[in-house]
Amino acid sequence: DQQVKQNSPSLSVQEGRISILNCDYTNSMFDYFLWYKKYPAEGPTFLISISSIKDKNEDGRFTVFLNKSAKHLSLHIVPSQPGDSAVYFCAARGYEEYGNKLVFGAGTILRVKS
Amino acid sequence: DVKVTQSSRYLVKRTGEKVFLECVQDMDHENMFWYRQDPGLGLRLIYFSYDVKMKEKGDIPEGYSVSREKKERFSLILESASTNQTSMYLCASSLGTAAHSGNTIYFGEGSWLTVV
Repeated sequence: DQQVKQNSPSLSVQEGRISILNCDYTNSMFDYFLWYKKYPAEGPTFLISISSIKDKNEDGRFTVFLNKSAKHLSLHIVPSQPGDSAVYFCAARGYEEYGNKLVFGAGTILRVKS
Repeated sequence: DVKVTQSSRYLVKRTGEKVFLECVQDMDHENMFWYRQDPGLGLRLIYFSYDVKMKEKGDIPEGYSVSREKKERFSLILESASTNQTSMYLCASSLGTAAHSGNTIYFGEGSWLTVV
């Protein structure tokens, strides 16, 4: 039972264009959402996050949008660069007394072509 | 910068061997985690620990155990390695509880384990 779903295993985009990565979740108790980026043979690195009280968060070329009613979030990368080619994981967190556990999606491989 | 260090990057072990994966973090984080990453399945939580000598099962704890004797170190143990445990293992740490929205999880570089 996947609580966080990334339905597109891969995405290919031309350099300079917009990349849109999508993520859906099922648990309405999730209150915080994060995107991680992972290069091959490296650990994931934090990219951007959004609290459930917001609908948009922007950091440079990266913007995350949250639609709580649809239980959907998306990551926009504008403009896309070849160095953005990586696996992107969507993650969600619900309030818990202990820890900071995250539930991850399966990931989307982004390829930015030059 | 937070540093999460996994001592072994690449290991090849035989079926039935006992395997230790070590992880050390240098930021005095309370919480530590072990995930495994498999294609099409994303990152799945094996075990986590929110304090020294404390541990909680994650989503896929079967076949694994953990040890946290010191705050900075979290070990993953495969008591008897099997081929279906061939995977990339990721250690992570974080500060505090989920109540702090600024918290995030920091990952190590991963350990590639092949069981033959």
